[in-house]
Amino acid sequence: DSGVTQTPKHLITATGQRVTLRCSPRSGDLSVYWYQQSLDQGLQFLIQYYNGEERAKGNILERFSAQQFPDLHSELNLSSLELGDSALYFCASSVGAGLYNEQFFGPGTRLTVL
Amino acid sequence: ELKVEQNPLFLSMQEGKNYTIYCNYSTTSDRLYWYRQDPGKSLESLFVLLSNGAVKQEGRLMASLDTKARLSTLHITAAVHDLSATYFCASVGAGGTSYGKLTFGQGTILTVHP
Repeated sequence: DSGVTQTPKHLITATGQRVTLRCSPRSGDLSVYWYQQSLDQGLQFLIQYYNGEERAKGNILERFSAQQFPDLHSELNLSSLELGDSALYFCASSVGAGLYNEQFFGPGTRLTVL
Repeated sequence: ELKVEQNPLFLSMQEGKNYTIYCNYSTTSDRLYWYRQDPGKSLESLFVLLSNGAVKQEGRLMASLDTKARLSTLHITAAVHDLSATYFCASVGAGGTSYGKLTFGQGTILTVHP
């Protein structure tokens, strides 16, 4: 157990809908990362927040958005869902924001879009 | 843009045999990670390699890093069924706007047969 929690574990929804994935980092970690794992794209970085501020952006679609709240938990919002958004979404956390901070991964949220 | 490539992508091994997974990355990297993932599960950190010539071993797995060749290897010794999983390498790149984002290889699906 990494200490990173994600809810829900599974989410099944329909195309066109909107969902919110939640992540609580390890105690003391200020940085949160979101990754998407799909069969066709593999594991790819979406976005990073550090202490409430966006730090880095990867291949995140405009339909997706994220934020980190004052209590440091983070939410990833996915809207106008398409079949291709079905994937495993991981959150990771680290103490700092830079290159030298090891990331610890949560259990993931499996999203299925029907 | 940093690219990370693994080979082979699929590896079927007999118990007791040795094999090596290769991870090439395209630009200078400050550190290299190896992860294990069981089906539907999260990423488990195996090794963090910090400098050229770094070698780390845990049980039947040994990882090494050659920063000049931009190559890391994961060597499996006397494979056992419990090692069956998907193995990923990941790099953080070096400085600039990489921050902490990880770029993953495609993953190597390892199956160990009796």
